[in-house]
This record gives sequence, C-alpha cells and structure tokens, in this order.
Amino acid sequence: AQSVSQHNHHVILSEAASLELGCNYSYGGTVNLFWYVQYPGQHLQLLLKYFSGDPLVKGIKGFEAEFIKSKFSFNLRKPSVQWSDTAEYFCAVNAVGYSTLTFGKGTMLLVSP
Amino acid sequence: DADVTQTPRNRITKTGKRIMLECSQTKGHDRMYWYRQDPGLGLRLIYYSFDVKDINKGEISDGYSVSRQAQAKFSLSLESAIPNQTALYFCATSGPDSGYTFGSGTRLTVV
Repeated sequence: AQSVSQHNHHVILSEAASLELGCNYSYGGTVNLFWYVQYPGQHLQLLLKYFSGDPLVKGIKGFEAEFIKSKFSFNLRKPSVQWSDTAEYFCAVNAVGYSTLTFGKGTMLLVSP
Repeated sequence: DADVTQTPRNRITKTGKRIMLECSQTKGHDRMYWYRQDPGLGLRLIYYSFDVKDINKGEISDGYSVSRQAQAKFSLSLESAIPNQTALYFCATSGPDSGYTFGSGTRLTVV
C-alpha cells in the first residue's frame, strides 16, 4: 500500500523567507504526485501535480516541486513566501494502478508579516 | 456554480441520529470519493466509487455507508452518529488525467 510522510507538522516563517516542505512517499512503482493547499476555512485546492516528464514542476502562486525518484521525494518550494501563503499544505500520492489518492498528514504554514 | 457541491455546509446532530451528507458534481467524471479530515491526521478515505455500479470501502469505512444515485451524485450516510465522527467531510471527483476536485466540505458535529 502507498503511504505519504510530511516532515513537518508546523512551520513558521517571516515574509520573504524561502520555503521548502518535505514529502516522501512509499511505493515502488510509478506514481502521480500532488500538492494541495487549504486556506483557513476553505476546501483543498490543487497547487501542482506531477504525472511524468520534467521532474521540476511549476504550480500556481510561485510554488514549485521537484520529484526525485531515487529519494521517493516530492518537496515543495517557494523562493519568497507572503503572508497570504498562510495555510495548510498536503502532499498526496496516487500510485498508478491504484486509483485512490493517499494524503500526508499536512503541514501548517504560518507566515508572519 | 461550483464543480463539486456539498450539502449541508454545517450540521450539528445528536448521538444515535442518522444523517446524510450529499455531494453532486458537474465535471462529468465517473470517479467520486468521500474523505474525512481531522486535525493532525490529514484526509482519510472513507468510500469511493468509480462508476454508478461500483462502490468500494476506503481506509475508514466503519460506521459509514454510501449511495451512488447517478454519475453526478454520491451521498454519505452515518447510520447512527457518534461523537468521534465529528470532523470535516470532503467529497471529491477525479478524471483520468487530472487531479482531484474537492467540494467545500461539510463540517459535522455530533453531540
């Protein structure tokens, strides 16, 4: 079965700091990978996804993620965070051949102005 | 209109009551899902359906049942609600080459 591990439960940054949120998955086969964001009181929105091709994926709002197959990782990055990036971030994996999405437990990001 | 609509948005119910959460989608996708979100636990899959005649249990199906009334409609029922079913419930749909689209959620409180 697939599983997802997010390294940090809570991250606190100042505006303009760089962000990297770790995500590792366990599954030996081909995977699709996702990052979702949940702003306070809202539903999940897709930030970016990786299906195949270039392992560096660019998403909305200046976010990007890099798929490193050898490390089973899909870390999320942003060079300079803003206060409006305060939200909870979820990494998710869908193993090709399994049709459901498995989520990590989430990382709560708080950006102080 | 939202792609995935959940009703109600908020519900408070008493222990032992039966409650139904409804979900409809306009994406035209065959696949639909119900997840529950608890603080610190992320989202966990309750049930999923790949088409109208297909229903599958997820990770935490005990205490829940579902009905797929049409391609666009997928409802979740709690036959006899208990307090530890207090959570935020999300419905989602997915297409063959797309990520999941989530509804706005139903916040359920069982007292």
